[in-house]
Amino acid sequence: DVKVTQSSRYLVKRTGEKVFLECVQDMDHENMFWYRQDPGLGLRLIYFSYDVKMKEKGDIPEGYSVSREKKERFSLILESASTNQTSMYLCASSTTGGSSTEAFFGQGTRLTVV
Amino acid sequence: EDQVTQSPEALRLQEGESSSLNCSYTVSGLRGLFWYRQDPGKGPEFLFTLYSAGEEKEKERLKATLTKKESFLHITAPKPEDSATYLCAALASGGSYIPTFGRGTSLIVHP
Repeated sequence: DVKVTQSSRYLVKRTGEKVFLECVQDMDHENMFWYRQDPGLGLRLIYFSYDVKMKEKGDIPEGYSVSREKKERFSLILESASTNQTSMYLCASSTTGGSSTEAFFGQGTRLTVV
Repeated sequence: EDQVTQSPEALRLQEGESSSLNCSYTVSGLRGLFWYRQDPGKGPEFLFTLYSAGEEKEKERLKATLTKKESFLHITAPKPEDSATYLCAALASGGSYIPTFGRGTSLIVHP
């Protein structure tokens, strides 16, 4: 089974802190994604990576950065956390090769910024 | 611009009352249409991928179908444990591998 693992289920951070959210996938997938999900707004793409060290901005990249130093690991960084970044964060991965192009998600990280 | 619209936003059913969820999509060439189930506080769980019009896939009480403009998720004789949010996403052919997601249908099945 495909497994996407996010480092924390719940996090509470203070305003202004630098926050790291880690994601690891075990299927050798080329593509990795970070989304945030808020009630009524659906899934919004923050960043996308299609290869090691490669990244593309999504719909809402402001206030976030990412790092992909190894193929299996994709990190989301909140440079200076703010209360409006309180949300559910979801990591996903998918492959480019073959016919199976569906994305698989991690269990989510509920981040609260106080 | 690629778009995916799901309807209804919310659906309440009695146990055993069959119904369908709709996913309308507009993409420049469809590479794949995906359905997910999401329980509260958890990440979406992959259900099905459909690739071409006329294709159908089934899993327990769920059946997904695809036309050139829409996909339907049919739920037959639902049970309370089918209560969840169902998400649909479309992936366009060519270029980026970023899927476009709908906002989901929240399904509640009453016993």
